[in-house]
Amino acid sequence: EVQLVQSGAEVKKPGESLRISCKVSGYTFSTYWIGWVRQLPGKGLEWMGIIYPGDSDVRYSPSFQGQVIISADKSINTTYLQWSSLQASDSAMYYCARHQIGYTFAYGDSWGQGTLVTASS
Amino acid sequence: SYELTQPPSVSVSPGQTASITCAGETWGDKFVSWYQQKPGQSPLLVIYLDYKRPSGIPERFSGSTSGNTATLTISGTQPMDEAEYYCQAWDTKAVIFGGGTKLTVL
Repeated sequence: EVQLVQSGAEVKKPGESLRISCKVSGYTFSTYWIGWVRQLPGKGLEWMGIIYPGDSDVRYSPSFQGQVIISADKSINTTYLQWSSLQASDSAMYYCARHQIGYTFAYGDSWGQGTLVTASS
Repeated sequence: SYELTQPPSVSVSPGQTASITCAGETWGDKFVSWYQQKPGQSPLLVIYLDYKRPSGIPERFSGSTSGNTATLTISGTQPMDEAEYYCQAWDTKAVIFGGGTKLTVL
């Protein structure tokens, strides 16, 4: 069974750094893309970027390029989303999802349970 | 940048057919996927590659495309289908989501 288990909720102060994780099981980690999606309170889904753990190829949405870093550790089947300096506007639910990707398609076929990030002074 | 436009809300009576549209500027050879999200839950893939259903998704969910519009159709809508629905496509190596449609079953 494919599973993506995300790290727990985080409460941080603006300006602090943060790294959240997504640990996968049930398939070969290095052979599927993993994406990160943001959902602001009461709003829609926003795609942040994806990583291919096999070679750590990363692609970012222009909206998030330079704002976050996506990485992966093949040794522990885990991908990460990190901020060097959180802002209050980063307060949101963050989801990881395994992606199937081709030349003309991409879709998330398995999703994590979400990590709630709150940045507040 | 590429955009996908969905109606903010759709209402349907139980047992009737609900149709949720997703309009793109130009569809070309892009494939669309659809996700269902209920309050407090993660998104769930219900349609991929325009019309395919993942294992475990009821047959009442179907997808189609015509011109620049993709449509998610729910036949015999049930109260449990009340949720937010998002379309999604892949464009120039980026995932694009529609704004979401709130489906109300009343």
